Amino acid sequence: AQSVTQLGSHVSVSEGALVLLRCNYSSSVPPYLFWYVQYPNQGLQLLLKYTSAATLVKGINGFEAEFKKSETSFHLTKPSAHMSDAAEYFCAVSSGYSTLTFGKGTMLLVSP
Amino acid sequence: EAQVTQNPRYLITVTGKKLTVTCSQNMNHEYMSWYRQDPGLGLRQIYYSMNVEVTDKGDVPEGYKVSRKEKRNFPLILESPSPNQTSLYFCASSFSGGAKTQYFGPGTRLLVL
Repeated sequence: AQSVTQLGSHVSVSEGALVLLRCNYSSSVPPYLFWYVQYPNQGLQLLLKYTSAATLVKGINGFEAEFKKSETSFHLTKPSAHMSDAAEYFCAVSSGYSTLTFGKGTMLLVSP
Repeated sequence: EAQVTQNPRYLITVTGKKLTVTCSQNMNHEYMSWYRQDPGLGLRQIYYSMNVEVTDKGDVPEGYKVSRKEKRNFPLILESPSPNQTSLYFCASSFSGGAKTQYFGPGTRLLVL
C-alpha cells in the first residue's frame, strides 16, 4: 500500500520569500515521487519527479525537491516566491505500476 | 499537439439520467485513468486501464463504469448519477510504468441535481 501526507492545506508566503511545501510518503517498495501543480481552472501539470536517480530533483519554474529516504519525505522548495506561483500543489507516489496516489493538496498563497 | 481532451467541460444533469464523459489522448499511451477531485480530499482514482480491454477499479469506483475498446479513448459512464457524484473529473494518460509522467486533461465539472 502507498500513501501521501501533505502537511498544511494552505501555506502563505510573501513575494520573494522561501517556499516550502511538505510531503511525506509511505510505500512498501522503492517509490517514484511526483509534484504536480494546478493553476485555477486548469488541469494538473508536472513540476518534477524522482525516479531513483539524483536525490535532489530540479523542476520547472525554479522549484526543486529532495528525496530523503530516512525521513520518507519529498519536500518542495523554491528560494524566492513569485505571484505567479499561487496555485494548488499536489504530491503523489507511485510504486512500480502506473497508479498514482495523491496527497490532499496544499494551496500556496503569495502576497505582495 | 500532444494532449488529453475531455468532453464536455461542464455538465449539469439530474439524478438518474445516464451520462458519459469522453476522454481521448493522442500520445499512444497504454495507461489511462480517471480521477475525481473534491475540496480537501485531493484527487482520488476511480478506474484505470493498463491497455485495451484491460480495466481495473481504483479507490472510489462505486457508481461508475468505464470501457477501453480503443487505445486512445477511455470514456467514463455514470449510469444513474447521484448528487454525491458532483465533482471535478480528470482523465490522465501515460506510458506504462510507475516512473512515467501522467498527462492530465483539462477537467470536467459535473453538477448532479
